[in-house]
Amino acid sequence: QKEVEQDPGPLSVPEGAIVSLNCTYSNSAFQYFMWYRQYSRKGPELLMYTYSSGNKEDGRFTAQVDKSSKYISLFIRDSQPSDSATYLCAMSASGFQKLVFGTGTRLLVSP
Amino acid sequence: DTGVSQDPRHKITKRGQNVTFRCDPISEHNRLYWYRQTLGQGPEFLTYFQNEAQLEKSRLLSDRFSAERPKGSFSTLEIQRTEQGDSAMYLCASSSYRSYNEQFFGPGTRLTVL
Repeated sequence: QKEVEQDPGPLSVPEGAIVSLNCTYSNSAFQYFMWYRQYSRKGPELLMYTYSSGNKEDGRFTAQVDKSSKYISLFIRDSQPSDSATYLCAMSASGFQKLVFGTGTRLLVSP
Repeated sequence: DTGVSQDPRHKITKRGQNVTFRCDPISEHNRLYWYRQTLGQGPEFLTYFQNEAQLEKSRLLSDRFSAERPKGSFSTLEIQRTEQGDSAMYLCASSSYRSYNEQFFGPGTRLTVL
């Protein structure tokens, strides 16, 4: 079993929809949680960074962490075709420097 | 642009050849990381440096791989005697002492081994 599980998709939604992307994890030591966006053949771009449990909002993006359920989410409001990309969740434990990534969910937003 | 830069962006080589990639981190970021990403997978950690010291290496980093960061600025990743299984995107990231876990990635070097 992988440490971080993420549905690869693709997830297809119409423009304007609310998108929910999720990851589950098994390592209870994870305390830092990130979401990256990756366009085809490009490097990952850091979207959201959260520490421990709770919510964080930035524009159209909201990240949620539920450590009791080992479950994290990224919500995208008013989705745009330009949001079409692969979304990677990543996490790390305190004192450990490597990020552990999910496989990524491919999102397609149609006009 | 003051982001992470990588060179070359693409490299095609024949099996058995040596290749070297370069990464320039964000200015004043003292930590630098190398990851490898294959198609349909998330990036996998290879190694990281704090200044010029290499502090951790993954078991993925076989003896054919070597990384350096001689002056604590740019880094190089060398693969000797390349194999077809080395074909992947090699990603570099950097982070600051202010928030080590916030890692910023470069555009990657795509390696194809024929």
